[in-house]
Amino acid sequence: EAGVTQSPTHLIKTRGQQATLRCSPISGHTSVYWYQQALGLGLQFLLWYDEGEERNRGNFPPRFSGRQFPNYSSELNVNALELEDSALYLCASSQTDRSSWPGELFFGEGSRLTVL
Amino acid sequence: DAKTTQPTSMDCAEGRAANLPCNHSTISGNEYVYWYRQIHSQGPQYIIHGLKNNETNEMASLIITEDRKSSTLILPHATLRDTAVYYCIVRPLGSSGNTGKLIFGQGTTLQVKP
Repeated sequence: EAGVTQSPTHLIKTRGQQATLRCSPISGHTSVYWYQQALGLGLQFLLWYDEGEERNRGNFPPRFSGRQFPNYSSELNVNALELEDSALYLCASSQTDRSSWPGELFFGEGSRLTVL
Repeated sequence: DAKTTQPTSMDCAEGRAANLPCNHSTISGNEYVYWYRQIHSQGPQYIIHGLKNNETNEMASLIITEDRKSSTLILPHATLRDTAVYYCIVRPLGSSGNTGKLIFGQGTTLQVKP
């Protein structure tokens, strides 16, 4: 069974540009989570999507946005890139079967964004 | 904010048991204790979770105190590949509000030495 897949693995952008990161959850999972991990820092919660809806958002500016598609894959968009946006962006998925809530999160290997 | 306190780092000899403590003194009755680990530059990996009973799986054991204010993750026979940052997280059950996300603290860096 395929795990959570993220693309691209690495992305280099310059200040002011936009970055788009993609995530495909494990088959059968309907929830997708995005986290940011800047160098030397912990994982910071960004966004949670479930059944196509944004369920919760972390303490990040509006230039961080995303969406979840009908097939449950997800995109994270970062507009007006700043140097401090350089980080590993991790996507995770989980089942949302209410009978087994809360299920564990399965993480992808991440997309490393470098802003120059 | 994370609701757990963990030591910043620990060492363990290869082949010995690694016991990683976690304090969660403000845990609520509807909150689970989760453990994840992150090997350098990889995505976090789920290890185990529990509510109030001790749990064991193929990776580890989780011992939760009777008052649920603290827990210990036990890796019975640590190997070099267990070197990682270990995160203890409390997470409420239920499907409402912001219960889906995990809030990661700084974790414990476990160094397994030969």
